[in-house]
Amino acid sequence: SQQGEEDPQALSIQEGENATMNCSYKTSINNLQWYRQNSGRGLVHLILIRSNEREKHSGRLRVTLDTSKKSSSLLITASRAADTASYFCATDRQGAQKLVFGQGTRLTINP
Amino acid sequence: NAGVTQTPKFRVLKTGQSMTLLCAQDMNHEYMYWYRQDPGMGLRLIHYSVGEGTTAKGEVPDGYNVSRLKKQNFLLGLESAAPSQTSVYFCASSYEGETEAFFGQGTRLTVV
Repeated sequence: SQQGEEDPQALSIQEGENATMNCSYKTSINNLQWYRQNSGRGLVHLILIRSNEREKHSGRLRVTLDTSKKSSSLLITASRAADTASYFCATDRQGAQKLVFGQGTRLTINP
Repeated sequence: NAGVTQTPKFRVLKTGQSMTLLCAQDMNHEYMYWYRQDPGMGLRLIHYSVGEGTTAKGEVPDGYNVSRLKKQNFLLGLESAAPSQTSVYFCASSYEGETEAFFGQGTRLTVV
């Protein structure tokens, strides 16, 4: 079974609003990563947060990690039409040497 | 710097045919991965490699074989294609298992 599960599966908001996506995972991890996938394209890395970090920022992105709840959230502030994409979390389970992805959240930004 | 290159980009196979998907990376990465992406299923790990000459099974390895004879290349083989293998296949590489992964543009495979 997949390690990460994103919530919601789909999210539609107006341009300028903030978008929040959540990721839950099952086992202890070293790091958690977020990726974006535009339609028909490969995945692009957005941000990595280590297990000993609680929050990380990159431009309009804010990621939080709660290892006690085995969950993470990705916040995109002041959304733009270009943010329309699918967003995936990925985890590397401790000792597993592999990167496992969740099912993704499909984000639509309406102009 | 090409990054991760997958060939071919599109392919249609008949049931029972075989084929090999090639992934090449020029970043000297140790780790390479093959994923398949199906609607509503996200990315599922097929096989991966942690270095030249090594391979390991992922979540959905049945029906696939892989080889990593050279550090820069990771091949995914389908010996006898089945309609259930219709999917988009992505290759990725990373310096280590805990670092950012770089993805190819995908191979859209249809098995009829």
